[in-house]
Amino acid sequence: AQKVTQAQTEISVVEKEDVTLDCVYETRDTTYYLFWYKQPPSGELVFLIRRNSFDEQNEISGRYSWNFQKSTSSFNFTITASQVVDSAVYFCALSEAPDDKIIFGKGTRLHILP
Amino acid sequence: DGGITQSPKYLFRKEGQNVTLSCEQNLNHDAMYWYRQDPGQGLRLIYYSQIVNDFQKGDIAEGYSVSREKKESFPLTVTSAQKNPTAFYLCATNEQFFGPGTRLTVL
Repeated sequence: AQKVTQAQTEISVVEKEDVTLDCVYETRDTTYYLFWYKQPPSGELVFLIRRNSFDEQNEISGRYSWNFQKSTSSFNFTITASQVVDSAVYFCALSEAPDDKIIFGKGTRLHILP
Repeated sequence: DGGITQSPKYLFRKEGQNVTLSCEQNLNHDAMYWYRQDPGQGLRLIYYSQIVNDFQKGDIAEGYSVSREKKESFPLTVTSAQKNPTAFYLCATNEQFFGPGTRLTVL
């Protein structure tokens, strides 16, 4: 069965600190896709990244970076030099095929304190 | 601009009434999805459609119905059989494109 676990319910850090959001997933498939989303207070879901199971290279996009480790079934997300605008709920998610249903974790609420 | 529109943003209904949430897209995507989000929870899949005139139940379809008569439109009806309909509803066309959501409150 597919499952995504985000053990951190809520995190608070002071602005400019680095913060890592954890994500652990379960799937029996060898081919799958992992995602991260940001949900600001307005409610819309903002797509951040998609990673397929065959690509274990870490990804960096500006202050955001992602660490994918198949050995530990983890896909962690790090924000470097956090800013108040990073305050949001972040979701990790999994699907087993393109255009297939997506299984979401319960999210981590991130507070960046000025 | 291409995108997904959901209307209205906020919706209030009395208990026992059916209500239909609108989802329209101009992205020319074949697939469309409806998700429900409760406070402190992730999104859960209600229904999805990968082609016109066809749709499948997701994980929490009970108390909901959908239709897919046009590629652009995928309305969701919350029926009186849905025991706890108050939630935030999001429509999507794939993993990257989500609508702004409709917050439904049943009084």
